Amino acid sequence: AQKITQTQPGMFVQEKEAVTLDCTYDTSDQSYGLFWYKQPSSGEMIFLIYQGSYDEQNATEGRYSLNFQKARKSANLVISASQLGDSAMYFCAMRVFNAGNNRKLIWGLGTSLAVNP
Amino acid sequence: KAGVTQTPRYLIKTRGQQVTLSCSPISGHRSVSWYQQTPGQGLQFLFEYFSETQRNKGNFPGRFSGRQFSNSRSEMNVSTLELGDSALYLCASSLSRGDEKLFFGSGTQLSVL
Repeated sequence: AQKITQTQPGMFVQEKEAVTLDCTYDTSDQSYGLFWYKQPSSGEMIFLIYQGSYDEQNATEGRYSLNFQKARKSANLVISASQLGDSAMYFCAMRVFNAGNNRKLIWGLGTSLAVNP
Repeated sequence: KAGVTQTPRYLIKTRGQQVTLSCSPISGHRSVSWYQQTPGQGLQFLFEYFSETQRNKGNFPGRFSGRQFSNSRSEMNVSTLELGDSALYLCASSLSRGDEKLFFGSGTQLSVL
């Protein structure tokens, strides 16, 4: 079964420290993509970072990096130097293709991150 | 460049009614997809439209329908509302169907009483 698991319902981090949000995935597909999105209280889902299954280097976008361990099927998000504005829900998602070769996103249930001053 | 715009922001309906939600994608984006978000189920894919045609559909009953217009704007309709339809409905747009990066709107919060 294709599935995304985020085992941390809530996380706390001190401002300016780094934090790792866990994500494990399950798929038998060879080609897939992994995403992280941030959802602040306003509701909008904000794209953070993307990693393709064939990408050998870990993706980085500013303070965000994705720790991709293919053999372990994990795609953890690392946020360096946390800021108060990082407080939000974080979702891990996986892009796969269904039987009709249509793109489909499968989502985890999210991790709520609170950054303490 | 304006982002994805969803209207209305909030809706309160009663069981049995129907509702129409609107989504205007980013200018130039031709693919629009819809998601339902609830605390228990998380985000679930509803459908995807491209060039006015539904290209992909999730596992939702036929009460959920949608359409896309020639300017790429999209609407989704839910008929015969049930209490379980209460959710945040998110619309996302992308340049094309193969584009990995989705841009989301702020959603429509639907409450069914």
